[in-house]
Amino acid sequence: DGGITQSPKYLFRKEGQNVTLSCEQNLNHDAMYWYRQDPGQGLRLIYYSQIVNDFQKGDIAEGYSVSREKKESFPLTVTSAQKNPTAFYLCASRRVGMNTEAFFGQGTRLTVV
Amino acid sequence: EDKVVQSPLSLVVHEGDTVTLNCSYEVTNFRSLLWYKQEKKAPTFLFMLTSSGIEKKSGRLSSILDKKELFSILNITATQTGDSAVYLCAVFLGNQFYFGTGTSLTVIP
Repeated sequence: DGGITQSPKYLFRKEGQNVTLSCEQNLNHDAMYWYRQDPGQGLRLIYYSQIVNDFQKGDIAEGYSVSREKKESFPLTVTSAQKNPTAFYLCASRRVGMNTEAFFGQGTRLTVV
Repeated sequence: EDKVVQSPLSLVVHEGDTVTLNCSYEVTNFRSLLWYKQEKKAPTFLFMLTSSGIEKKSGRLSSILDKKELFSILNITATQTGDSAVYLCAVFLGNQFYFGTGTSLTVIP
């Protein structure tokens, strides 16, 4: 079955540690996105990539980093520079070239203690 | 600054009621408007709207876009408890999606 897989579903980390969230898709989509969701704030864009080896910052990129070495994979690293990393993180992908919808993974809930 | 505003923020109705969710936007480079339903984790796609005045319909759900007044509505008729979710509106700007804060709908039996 085609889809987007995020792992892990739940992640606990101590303050000051970097952590990497995985996102893999087998939909053959070129574009991939990372969003952060906090209560009452909807989805906010962290980073997006439209092609391998290229990515752009979204509205809240500070304290995060990404890589896009393969079309299928778009991992997100939450660094110790992110002031308030506890949140629900959603990865999405989309076929480029026309108006198409984004497909979402099941999300990763990160808790930093 | 791009802006997508949804109203109301939350809504509680009884089964069988009809609800209307609103989404207004002020963005540059508008390409399309999308509605998603988020029950627990992954938002699931409902509709994509690109043209004004053309209603999209799927069962009890329908949606329409007004590009002159810059808003869209999502209607749900004969609501069921399974309609309880957060409904997200997003605008596609050509290379990224810009989301509203969502409307939380609770349907009471």
